[in-house]
Amino acid sequence: EAQVTQNPRYLITVTGKKLTVTCSQNMNHEYMSWYRQDPGLGLRQIYYSMNVEVTDKGDVPEGYKVSRKEKRNFPLILESPSPNQTSLYFCASSQRRTSGAAETQYFGPGTRLLVL
Amino acid sequence: KQEVTQIPAALSVPEGENLVLNCSFTDSAIYNLQWFRQDPGKGLTSLLLIQSSQREQTSGRLNASLDKSSGRSTLYIAASQPGDSATYLCAVRGGANNLFFGTGTRLTVIP
Repeated sequence: EAQVTQNPRYLITVTGKKLTVTCSQNMNHEYMSWYRQDPGLGLRQIYYSMNVEVTDKGDVPEGYKVSRKEKRNFPLILESPSPNQTSLYFCASSQRRTSGAAETQYFGPGTRLLVL
Repeated sequence: KQEVTQIPAALSVPEGENLVLNCSFTDSAIYNLQWFRQDPGKGLTSLLLIQSSQREQTSGRLNASLDKSSGRSTLYIAASQPGDSATYLCAVRGGANNLFFGTGTRLTVIP
């Protein structure tokens, strides 16, 4: 089954304790991205990746890191989480057109993070 | 920076009604526009994607239109059903391949 998976689905942590949220897709998509969703602010893009070893900042990259060593995986790293990073996080992937534009986005189920 | 607005924020309709959801964006230089559905506690499901060169897309009871020059898109849902109750999000893809979302319209279809 074609899907985007994220782990963990729920996470409670404390300020400053490094954490990684994994994201994996089995559709051989080139384009992957991370979003956070907050009430009243909607979804905002954190980072995206056009292909292996190619990553770029989105709207709200501060406090986050990503890596794209393999095509299927795109982990989100919080080196020193803070309470303002409490949010619902989504990973997404899509194919790219020859023009470079990304196609339909497929989303993972989300990771709910609480930073105390 | 691209700003995406969805009005209304919430909408309740009786079952069987046709309805229109609105999305507007400030920068017309877009690659495409996508409509999503989000159910409570769940991820996003893509409904329709319209390329910048297209005017509309249809899937079953759903029809999405795009007027790039005026920065508007609409999602038309025909013969609404209680199962259509969800939050509907529109998102535009900009030139840098980043994606900008609206805050959504929460739809309730009353049986």
